[in-house]
Amino acid sequence: DAKTTQPPSMDCAEGRAANLPCNHSTISGNEYVYWYRQIHSQGPQYIIHGLKNNETNEMASLIITEDRKSSTLILPHATLRDTAVYYCIVRPLNNNDMRFGAGTRLTVKP
Amino acid sequence: GAVVSQHPSRVICKSGTSVKIECRSLDFQATTMFWYRQFPKQSLMLMATSNEGSKATYEQGVEKDKFLINHASLTLSTLTVTSAHPEDSSFYICSVAGAGDTQYFGPGTRLTVL
Repeated sequence: DAKTTQPPSMDCAEGRAANLPCNHSTISGNEYVYWYRQIHSQGPQYIIHGLKNNETNEMASLIITEDRKSSTLILPHATLRDTAVYYCIVRPLNNNDMRFGAGTRLTVKP
Repeated sequence: GAVVSQHPSRVICKSGTSVKIECRSLDFQATTMFWYRQFPKQSLMLMATSNEGSKATYEQGVEKDKFLINHASLTLSTLTVTSAHPEDSSFYICSVAGAGDTQYFGPGTRLTVL
């Protein structure tokens, strides 16, 4: 019973920015937004997480709307190796549960 | 983050046999580890939470007598699939609750039961 909604699939041209949306309209005040990705036949890889401020690291940027009901993961310059299923998850910081929804299958094309 | 390994990466066994999967936290002492399974074209489903030195907590619908979990040290948790059957064939993934309450996942173990 994932608390997020993501488009099932997206395409992106190599070298362009990939913007992956996530709706989490029922998010609670103490819940963080986490992003993971899973490349085929591998374990999920942590990307980034945030509470309400925008976050950036070496992999991606996370933009959270002011009302926190949605967010966007941005891969600034997508490569073929970024082809994966991307999961958006919301949970409290101290809650160990990490519940995965269906995610978005991102295909980066040459 | 935490570096997590799993062994074996893939295993094929006959129906009725038991299979043990190891999950190791290589650079982080993990009091809590998690076990997930993933069927083809589906998302990850949490099976159980493994706590060092105590009994695991299983999700609803997961048989604790069939999926035995042992978390005897801060770096090792094992999942034993007892009397495996073809329907247990799946991708089993463990994770570690690392620094900042972020979970770090192992590479997964693909189990095929013939």
